[in-house]
Amino acid sequence: GNSVTQMEGPVTLSEEAFLTINCTYTATGYPSLFWYVQYPGEGLQLLLKATKADDKGSNKGFEATYRKETTSFHLEKGSVQVSDSAVYFCALSGGGGSNYKLTFGKGTLLTVNP
Amino acid sequence: EAGVAQSPRYKIIEKRQSVAFWCNPISGHATLYWYQQILGQGPKLLIQFQNNGVVDDSQLPKDRFSAERLKGVDSTLKIQPAKLEDSAVYLCASSLTPRGDTQYFGPGTRLTVL
Repeated sequence: GNSVTQMEGPVTLSEEAFLTINCTYTATGYPSLFWYVQYPGEGLQLLLKATKADDKGSNKGFEATYRKETTSFHLEKGSVQVSDSAVYFCALSGGGGSNYKLTFGKGTLLTVNP
Repeated sequence: EAGVAQSPRYKIIEKRQSVAFWCNPISGHATLYWYQQILGQGPKLLIQFQNNGVVDDSQLPKDRFSAERLKGVDSTLKIQPAKLEDSAVYLCASSLTPRGDTQYFGPGTRLTVL
């Protein structure tokens, strides 16, 4: 079945530091890949997505590239802010059959200090 | 546009009691999902509705959990009787269609079973 493995947290960075959160997946076929973010006290929000190999999703300065050869979708940001402190989830859907349900990783807690 | 609404936001019950959660999806969204998010883990799909029909309930513990979506709009998720291991955040999400569209999440209901 489908599965997502993402970097264990927590991750603590200083403001303006470079961020990478690793995500790899297992799926048959060609899944769509997502990064969701959960700010304290709020629901999950879609941060970015990519639907086919070599696509780059981007939003709010965050980027992730769909790498089919390495089955990865690593999240990056060049300069983090305190307001980026949140839990980040990598997820996939599809990838075989007709089931488009989301499969999530365990989440990575990011804390950015001023 | 109003988001996904859920109530209550918090619930504390004793084991063996029953509890119900309510969700109102974004207007016009035909697909509704209930997820369980245990502390330190990613959300896990419990049940998916397309209009008022069940698409996937393979991970729903049917001996104690039930869900319905009457009239294809709002939905309720019930647990009866609750166990300690049911302590989690229950997330409701909706999407326009089931075929990989972006899922929009509500704020969740945090359940504590004592």
